[in-house]
Amino acid sequence: NAGVTQTPKFRILKIGQSMTLQCTQDMNHNYMYWYRQDPGMGLKLIYYSVGAGITDKGEVPNGYNVSRSTTEDFPLRLELAAPSQTSVYFCASRFDDGTNTEAFFGQGTRLTVV
Amino acid sequence: KQEVTQIPAALSVPEGENLVLNCSFTDSAIYNLQWFRQDPGKGLTSLLLIQSSQREQTSGRLNASLDKSSGRSTLYIAASQPGDSATYLCAVYTGANSKLTFGKGITLSVRP
Repeated sequence: NAGVTQTPKFRILKIGQSMTLQCTQDMNHNYMYWYRQDPGMGLKLIYYSVGAGITDKGEVPNGYNVSRSTTEDFPLRLELAAPSQTSVYFCASRFDDGTNTEAFFGQGTRLTVV
Repeated sequence: KQEVTQIPAALSVPEGENLVLNCSFTDSAIYNLQWFRQDPGKGLTSLLLIQSSQREQTSGRLNASLDKSSGRSTLYIAASQPGDSATYLCAVYTGANSKLTFGKGITLSVRP
């Protein structure tokens, strides 16, 4: 059971470069989320999606973009990377049919911008 | 805006001790509350989910309670073991589309 899979696990970017963080889930979950985790700051919501074709901003969306063309995939795009985007990024998913089931998280992508 | 607080930020206890981790939230209009465990350099592992209609959930040595009216949840760990050493995060589901808001976590160290 793969669950939520994130790639890559680690990445070093230079300032101004772009990259896409991949997230795939095989549980047919309709809701998907992207969080970033900074030391001592907890997890902050970047973007989320309630289904294919539907995305919305979270608490800290600036500098990021997302798309949701399929139920399984929810990539996070960083344009013009900045040192402030150095963080650990987590993707999560859950199934919501009105009963608010639990969220499952990927193993994270550790990104350093130099 | 929902805010989730977990105090203290770190806790060290001897092996075998029963302990309680606290979580408080400012907006009592939550759907669910979920406790996670995070090991260093790893992702989040779900421990317990308490739905808003429930008062508590149990899994093995773990028991989580929820008091929506007071904006509090506790995670009780019985007979702690060194393997319980990790960061424990509390998250609440609130608002449209039930977004999760996280506390900063409590880093637990269980000494042999």
